[in-house]
Amino acid sequence: AQSVTQLGSHVSVSEGALVLLRCNYSSSVPPYLFWYVQYPNQGLQLLLKYTTGATLVKGINGFEAEFKKSETSFHLTKPSAHMSDAAEYFCAVSALRDDKIIFGKGTRLHILP
Amino acid sequence: DGGITQSPKYLFRKEGQNVTLSCEQNLNHDAMYWYRQDPGQGLRLIYYSQIVNDFQKGDIAEGYSVSREKKESFPLTVTSAQKNPTAFYLCASRGRTNTEAFFGQGTRLTVV
Repeated sequence: AQSVTQLGSHVSVSEGALVLLRCNYSSSVPPYLFWYVQYPNQGLQLLLKYTTGATLVKGINGFEAEFKKSETSFHLTKPSAHMSDAAEYFCAVSALRDDKIIFGKGTRLHILP
Repeated sequence: DGGITQSPKYLFRKEGQNVTLSCEQNLNHDAMYWYRQDPGQGLRLIYYSQIVNDFQKGDIAEGYSVSREKKESFPLTVTSAQKNPTAFYLCASRGRTNTEAFFGQGTRLTVV
């Protein structure tokens, strides 16, 4: 069975500072890993995904994440935060393409002016 | 445009009434999912379907029912047996060539 743990339900960073959102997963088979973003009262939008191959994955809006198998982690980063990055971020794992997708509890990112 | 449509966006019902949430997709995706979102609890899987006329329970299926009679449609019924139905409900779909799921805009259900 798969599971996801996101460390920190709320993270605050200053505008222009580094964004780091942490995600650890558990999976008995090679995982597919995802980061999604959600703005208030909206659905989820895919930021980036890891399936196979290169472990450093680049996504939209300047975000990237690195798959570290030894640490079972898939942390999300952005070098310089922007006010528009304020949202809730979800990490998710899936074992196979035709399988359920399990989400973490989410991290709400606050950007301080 | 291709996508997933959930309707209505806001829904109010009296306690004890069943209510059905609509989810339609025109992406030709095989798999469809229903999630429930509550503050601080992330997304919890209610039901999912990988093919027409077949579906599986997720982690919190009690008090909910689904059907998958057509590839494009995966309606969710919240029954009176669901003890705390007020929540934000999200529908998603996933195609055989996609590894990620695509989401609808959600339905906020309030039971009074």
